[in-house]
Amino acid sequence: DVKVTQSSRYLVKRTGEKVFLECVQDMDHENMFWYRQDPGLGLRLIYFSYDVKMKEKGDIPEGYSVSREKKERFSLILESASTNQTSMYLCASSFRARDTEAFFGQGTRLTVV
Amino acid sequence: QKEVEQNSGPLSVPEGAIASLNCTYSDRGSQSFFWYRQYSGKSPELIMFIYSNGDKEDGRFTAQLNKASQYVSLLIRDSQPSDSATYLCAVNPGQIRGYQKVTFGIGTKLQVIP
Repeated sequence: DVKVTQSSRYLVKRTGEKVFLECVQDMDHENMFWYRQDPGLGLRLIYFSYDVKMKEKGDIPEGYSVSREKKERFSLILESASTNQTSMYLCASSFRARDTEAFFGQGTRLTVV
Repeated sequence: QKEVEQNSGPLSVPEGAIASLNCTYSDRGSQSFFWYRQYSGKSPELIMFIYSNGDKEDGRFTAQLNKASQYVSLLIRDSQPSDSATYLCAVNPGQIRGYQKVTFGIGTKLQVIP
């Protein structure tokens, strides 16, 4: 079974803290993604990476950065957490070939207080 | 106009009925279409995908594409309470540098009433 594992299921952080969300996949996928999911807004792409050390901005990259030093690991960084970053964060991965499905991690519910 | 639009629901159907979920998309050149199911508190999982050239049936699920009207639908026959979930439509307009910039709709919540 494909596994995409996120480091935390629930996180509570204070405003201004630096927050790291980690994601690891075991299927040798080239592509990895970070989304946030909010009620009424659906899944929105923050960043994606199509290869090691490569990254591209998604639709809402402001306030976030990412790191991909190894193929299996993709990290999302909130440099200075704010309350409007309270959300469900979902990591996903897929093969680069056309029209392959994305496999999602279990999600991290982040609350910034 | 949003790139992928879905009615958030909830859509309520009795057990055993056909549930019909719809999704419209704005990019006429879109090449492939995905339906994900997301149970409450869980992450999305793929249930069907179709290309721009045709419909697809898989067990109780049928995905249909109407290119002229730019909408894709998911039909669930003999709906079961276990089908109660949010269904996300995702559209792939094509590859950019090898990446498929898939866009998701907000999802339609389906409730199957026993």
